[in-house]
Amino acid sequence: DSGVTQTPKHLITATGQRVTLRCSPRSGDLSVYWYQQSLDQGLQFLIQYYNGEERAKGNILERFSAQQFPDLHSELNLSSLELGDSALYFCASSVSSGREDTGELFFGEGSRLTVL
Amino acid sequence: QKEVEQDPGPLSVPEGAIVSLNCTYSNSAFQYFMWYRQYSRKGPELLMYTYSSGNKEDGRFTAQVDKSSKYISLFIRDSQPSDSATYLCAMSDYGGYQKVTFGTGTKLQVIP
Repeated sequence: DSGVTQTPKHLITATGQRVTLRCSPRSGDLSVYWYQQSLDQGLQFLIQYYNGEERAKGNILERFSAQQFPDLHSELNLSSLELGDSALYFCASSVSSGREDTGELFFGEGSRLTVL
Repeated sequence: QKEVEQDPGPLSVPEGAIVSLNCTYSNSAFQYFMWYRQYSRKGPELLMYTYSSGNKEDGRFTAQVDKSSKYISLFIRDSQPSDSATYLCAMSDYGGYQKVTFGTGTKLQVIP
C-alpha cells in the first residue's frame, strides 16, 4: 500500500459529461501529480501541484483542470468527455517539490474512466 | 517517433531465468533513469533510480545506462513468478519528476 488514495476506482459515463477524480496523498507529502495511462500512449504527465499551488503542466487538455486543497488532497476535473478520454488516471505524491533530486513518486491505484 | 521506446512484449520466461528489459531514447538531455514495476490493477512503484551512465545493483535487479548509445537496461536474475508485472522505464532531464517521460512498459510473465 503506497498510502495514496484515489476515488472512485471505476467510473463509467457518457460523452459530454463531467467527472471529478479525487486523490489523497501520503501523509506528509506536499506534491501531487496526475498522470493519464492509456494502452498506446503509456503514462502521460498531466499536472503537478505543490502545497496548493500549480507547479508544472504537462499534456493536459483545456477540458481538464485540477486543484489542490488546503488539506493537500487534489481533484482532477474532466469535462466535455470524449471517447478518447477513456483511460486510467493515476495520482502520485512526493515530499519534494520535484525540483531536487530526492524523493520517490508514490502512485495510487488509479481511477479507471470509461466513456461510452 | 516517441522520445522513449520500449518493447511492449509480452515476454515469457521460465522461473530462474535471467530477464533483460530495455529502452531506447532520443533525448540526449536525459540524465536520470528509472525503472518502475506495475502489477495488474495497481499503480507503478519505483524499482531502481540511477543518474547518468553506469550500473546500479539492488538484490536481484541491475540497472544499466549507456548514454552514448541512448540505451538503458534492467536485468532480473533468478526471476520469480512474483516478478510477473509490467516494467516501465522512465527518464528525465533533471531531478524533477514533473518532467519524467515514461516508456509504454514491457509485460513480463515468469512461468513456474
